[in-house]
Amino acid sequence: GAGVSQSPRYKVAKRGQDVALRCDPISGHVSLFWYQQALGQGPEFLTYFQNEAQLDKSGLPSDRFFAERPEGSVSTLKIQRTQQEDSAVYLCASSHDSSSGAPLHFGNGTRLTVT
Amino acid sequence: AQSVTQLDSQVPVFEEAPVELRCNYSSSVSVYLFWYVQYPNQGLQLLLKYLSGSTLVESINGFEAEFNKSQTSFHLRKPSVHISDTAEYFCAVTPQGFQKLVFGTGTRLLVSP
Repeated sequence: GAGVSQSPRYKVAKRGQDVALRCDPISGHVSLFWYQQALGQGPEFLTYFQNEAQLDKSGLPSDRFFAERPEGSVSTLKIQRTQQEDSAVYLCASSHDSSSGAPLHFGNGTRLTVT
Repeated sequence: AQSVTQLDSQVPVFEEAPVELRCNYSSSVSVYLFWYVQYPNQGLQLLLKYLSGSTLVESINGFEAEFNKSQTSFHLRKPSVHISDTAEYFCAVTPQGFQKLVFGTGTRLLVSP
């Protein structure tokens, strides 16, 4: 496809379960971002990759959150031992280069509900 | 650190009326400014951005925003809205030299006939 693809679109997890959220960025895009958007809030930064290197993970809320991009393309955000406060929409975005000001292309997000 | 304030959570307007969506930011360093739009059931899309040069920037669908450094604002305006402009609008900033966006909480624009 031409855009950023995220799967699954919706995920319901019981508290304590582990989840994995997938992001397929636009082909050839160097930069990849994960954001968390709680209900009624704007997206909040979680982590940033340039190719396969994770350059910034300052936004990850706890050590239960882990992201990887092993081959510089597809990325996975993993949340271990999910808690109710993890319920949110998780957005992935990619950019064709790493220059400041380059536009980010967002996926439709994965809505995670923890029960 | 940077922060963005969008004071209006919701703005209802009638079709063909003008609209202004307010955005103020706080930063100790120079920033780039963006407006993103999210239509129902779609992902965020870039509407327009200010990087440098003319402080007035325009989008292809008639929106414009003006960077005001002294007032640390980047308000979004359109002289005549359409039903199809109904969406959520997010203002965002990033420090120059970085790509990490800081978003406001969004403003929902509701256009009615």
